[in-house]
Amino acid sequence: KNQVEQSPQSLIILEGKNCTLQCNYTVSPFSNLRWYKQDTGRGPVSLTIMTFSENTKSNGRYTATLDADTKQSSLHITASQLSDSASYICVVTREGLSNTGKLIFGQGTTLQVKP
Amino acid sequence: DTAVSQTPKYLVTQMGNDKSIKCEQNLGHDTMYWYKQDSKKFLKIMFSYNNKELIINETVPNRFSPKSPDKAHLNLHINSLELGDSAVYFCASSLYRGPLSYSSYNEQFFGPGTRLTVL
Repeated sequence: KNQVEQSPQSLIILEGKNCTLQCNYTVSPFSNLRWYKQDTGRGPVSLTIMTFSENTKSNGRYTATLDADTKQSSLHITASQLSDSASYICVVTREGLSNTGKLIFGQGTTLQVKP
Repeated sequence: DTAVSQTPKYLVTQMGNDKSIKCEQNLGHDTMYWYKQDSKKFLKIMFSYNNKELIINETVPNRFSPKSPDKAHLNLHINSLELGDSAVYFCASSLYRGPLSYSSYNEQFFGPGTRLTVL
């Protein structure tokens, strides 16, 4: 079954601290993996995208890693800011039967950064 | 200069009513999508249109009918609303659907969402 599971479900950290969010997937055949940030009341916004040949990708203070062998990804946030408070969603694209690249979403990790 | 816009942002209605949600993108994208985000925050794709042609139709009750008058618009009409339809509905668009499922071509840009509450 094609699934994407994220952990932890929620996380509270102090401003300035680092944190790491996890994503495990069983999606096959794998095409790519994305991390999205979803602010409360807004739509998701893409942070990074990686194919199976990419191990790491950075976007400012966000660094995503991918281990295609173990089917695991992580999103590391450095020097957290209050504006990082949001849900972070891991999304895996599966090669579709008609090459439509169907997206499988994780349930997200809710991050709260406190002053 | 909003990229993907949806109206209305909030929709409260009674069971059994018929309602529509509108979506427009000004990004020049070929493909548009409707997603449903339930109370557990899972996003699930409902429909996808490429250049006004339906390409993805997940297992969605036929009370839900998408309509794409042109490639910049994808509206969602829901008949006979039920309590379980309460959710946030997101519209999204991407540049190109084609055989290359990787690459920025396939990045999806989401609208702000429409929170539907069925009483």
